[in-house]
Amino acid sequence: NAGVMQNPRHLVRRRGQEARLRCSPMKGHSHVYWYRQLPEEGLKFMVYLQKENIIDESGMPKERFSAEFPKEGPSILRIQQVVRGDSAAYFCASSPGLNQPQHFGDGTRLSIL
Amino acid sequence: AQRVTQPEKLLSVFKGAPVELKCNYSYSGSPELFWYVQYSRQRLQLLLRHISRESIKGFTADLNKGETSFHLKKPFAQEEDSAMYYCALSTSGSARQLTFGSGTQLTVLP
Repeated sequence: NAGVMQNPRHLVRRRGQEARLRCSPMKGHSHVYWYRQLPEEGLKFMVYLQKENIIDESGMPKERFSAEFPKEGPSILRIQQVVRGDSAAYFCASSPGLNQPQHFGDGTRLSIL
Repeated sequence: AQRVTQPEKLLSVFKGAPVELKCNYSYSGSPELFWYVQYSRQRLQLLLRHISRESIKGFTADLNKGETSFHLKKPFAQEEDSAMYYCALSTSGSARQLTFGSGTQLTVLP
């Protein structure tokens, strides 16, 4: 089991471009969580998804950010019209069920020029 | 809203000395507490959770509801314990999102 796979590991975008971050959960895990970590801070919850459903997006910024977890394929965190403040490490975690521990990926480091 | 505080950003101890990483939380309900660890160049991994009451790699943590604390302790630190440690809280309810502290970088000196 390769664990939670995130790609790319590093992503550089210019202001105004779109960023797409992908997360493949561990085999057998149907719950996916996205977190954002700004420098010198802890991870902050963004969104929780199950297959084809957004369960809780209370941590997502109201504009430009969206997430999906389709029936087939990885979960995608999409940031439109990126700005400098979007520069951060974005972590994905997965779990097999609601009350099970979350397993984290290596993260995607997003840099905005 | 829930909150997790780790007051020490950096902590250094000598090998063989006891170590305690502090974690305080605020949450009005019944929380579930975790410690996650990130070794150099590795991903974040679960160290222990309070409901399992396990001892992992010699670390223990006791939930103190009166003091709203979940400090991580180890009686004899080893150099391989050097890492970033995050305390996290999960609330009751359907979301099960984790709220993290800002982390403590532990360095165990030879």
